[in-house]
Amino acid sequence: KQEVTQIPAALSVPEGENLVLNCSFTDSAIYNLQWFRQDPGKGLTSLLLIQSSQREQTSGRLNASLDKSSGRSTLYIAASQPGDSATYLCAVNGGATNKLIFGTGTLLAVQP
Amino acid sequence: NAGVTQTPKFQVLKTGQSMTLQCAQDMNHNSMYWYRQDPGMGLRLIYYSASEGTTDKGEVPNGYNVSRLNKREFSLRLESAAPSQTSVYFCAILARDKINTEAFFGQGTRLTVV
Repeated sequence: KQEVTQIPAALSVPEGENLVLNCSFTDSAIYNLQWFRQDPGKGLTSLLLIQSSQREQTSGRLNASLDKSSGRSTLYIAASQPGDSATYLCAVNGGATNKLIFGTGTLLAVQP
Repeated sequence: NAGVTQTPKFQVLKTGQSMTLQCAQDMNHNSMYWYRQDPGMGLRLIYYSASEGTTDKGEVPNGYNVSRLNKREFSLRLESAAPSQTSVYFCAILARDKINTEAFFGQGTRLTVV
């Protein structure tokens, strides 16, 4: 059974810092991995999607990497801003069943 | 997110009452999902539908039923609501093209069972 873990559960950083969020998964037979952002009381917004054949994806200040063999993904946020404060969730798509399995998320607070 | 619409946005039920959460997509994709989100537990899959007319159980299906009436709509029904079903419910679709498979979510339904 696929299990997805995110570390840390919560993170507080001063504005301007670069930071890394971690996601690990137990079954490397994934189709892709997706990072989401969730603001309080809101739905999920897709940030980056990495196919199993890819090593990384970039969008603006965000960079996500994928090491499928070790079951790990990282989300790198450069020059963090207070507007980045949110919960960040990773989810793996197991492919055959097309089920998205989520981690429990990292709550990020960027202090001005 | 654009393309996935959930109703209602908020609902309060008394224990034992029933209700149906509605989800509709205008993106013409086959796969649709219902998740619940609880503090400290992330999103857990309740039911999913790979295509019109098919449904399958996810991680936490007990107490729920679903209906995939057509390609566009996927509803979640609570026949006899319990306080343990207090949660935020999200509908999602999995959009596939030749290269990517990407998930899109509705804005959620906040359900409180008292």
